[in-house]
Amino acid sequence: EVQLVESGGGLVQPGWSLRLSCAASGFSFSSHGMHWVRQAPGKGLEYVSSVSGNGRDTYYANAVKGRFTISRDNSKNTLYLQMGSLREEDMAVYYCARTYYHGVTPRGLDSWGQGTLVTVSS
Amino acid sequence: DIQLTQSPSFLSASVGDRVTITCRASQGISSYLAWYQQKPGRAPKLLINAASTLQSGVPSRFSGSGSGTEFTLTIDSLQPEDFATYYCQQLNTYPPWTFGQGTKVEIK
Repeated sequence: EVQLVESGGGLVQPGWSLRLSCAASGFSFSSHGMHWVRQAPGKGLEYVSSVSGNGRDTYYANAVKGRFTISRDNSKNTLYLQMGSLREEDMAVYYCARTYYHGVTPRGLDSWGQGTLVTVSS
Repeated sequence: DIQLTQSPSFLSASVGDRVTITCRASQGISSYLAWYQQKPGRAPKLLINAASTLQSGVPSRFSGSGSGTEFTLTIDSLQPEDFATYYCQQLNTYPPWTFGQGTKVEIK
């Protein structure tokens, strides 16, 4: 069974840093691109960042570019999101999600974690 | 970045109704579109990929269509468990793979 379990969320002050982790199991982790998607309270889904299966290619939403860093450790089946210079508008539930492929073509995000809440407040 | 606009943002419907949600892309994305369902307090669930391919286990009352810049999600004979928020997402070439703003389907 595919499982994604996020951790690392919590309450931080504006300007602080935080690292989120996503532990994966039940599938070949290194074969899948992975993503972070967030959802502010009462709001819609917002794409945050992606990393390729081998970790070489990374992508970011404009809103977090330069402040957040996505990475993965395939030996530990774990995805990370290092968040820096946090702002109140970064407050959200952060989900990790797995790419679903048809052949080699990404077709969606088919497995999601339960989410971890990041609260940014002074 | 490619922008997605869903309409309507809110929809009130009854059990048994046929419901259609539209997603428009700011530029052509071929068929690289997915639809998700999200219930309160839960992670999103992938319903449809490649604009019209039903994900395994998803009831056949859900269907998707479209290509290029205009896409639709249709739910035939709305069931009580279908009341949720629905999102489209574009997966054109490389990320960022943006989402639409969501359509909340509520009980009339």
